Amino acid sequence: EVQLVESGGGLVQPGGSLRLSCAASGFTFSTYTMNWVRQAPGGGLEWVSYITSSSRTIYYADSVKGRFTISRDNANNSLYLQMNSLRDEDTAMYYCARAPDFYVGSGYYLSVYLDFWGRGTLLTVSS
Amino acid sequence: EIVLTQSPGTLSLSPGERVTLSCRASQSLSSSYLSWYQQKPGQAPRLLIYGASSRATGIPDRFSGSGSGTDFTLTISRLEPEDFAVYYCQKYGSSPPMYTFGQGTKLEIK
Repeated sequence: EVQLVESGGGLVQPGGSLRLSCAASGFTFSTYTMNWVRQAPGGGLEWVSYITSSSRTIYYADSVKGRFTISRDNANNSLYLQMNSLRDEDTAMYYCARAPDFYVGSGYYLSVYLDFWGRGTLLTVSS
Repeated sequence: EIVLTQSPGTLSLSPGERVTLSCRASQSLSSSYLSWYQQKPGQAPRLLIYGASSRATGIPDRFSGSGSGTDFTLTISRLEPEDFAVYYCQKYGSSPPMYTFGQGTKLEIK
């Protein structure tokens, strides 16, 4: 059974730092692109960051670029999100989500959807 | 940047009814890039449909997706009590890779 379990959330002051973790099990973690997606209280879903299986390709949403760093440890089946210079608007539930390769035609496979999500870990940024 | 607009924002229906949710893109996009998710209160989103019309593993066949270009729909043929939730459409952008969600449609019990 695929499982993604996030941890590391909590209350942090503006300007502070925190590191989120996501422990994966039930699948070959090292072969999947992974993502972080967040949801502000009462709000919609916002993609945060993307990392390919080998960590070769990484992307960030403009809202977190330069402040957040995604990484992974394939030996330990873990995904991380280092968050620095935190702001009030970073307050949200943070989900890790798996993105399988999907054939989109013309010989290309892309990670176009998120097929499994963890239950999330809550980050609150407040003084 | 392609924006997804979902309508309506909230829908009040009764179990047993049929419902169609709309997701409109501001520009044409490949149907391969369009997915739908269900989220219940206090839970993580769950993938329902990918590639605009393919059901994810374990999703009942009362859920179906269709559409192309700028107009996509999620249909629930006969609402069950457990289907009352928020539904999001999502598109994939390839340059750079990113995932954009619609604002969601809340399906509530009438």
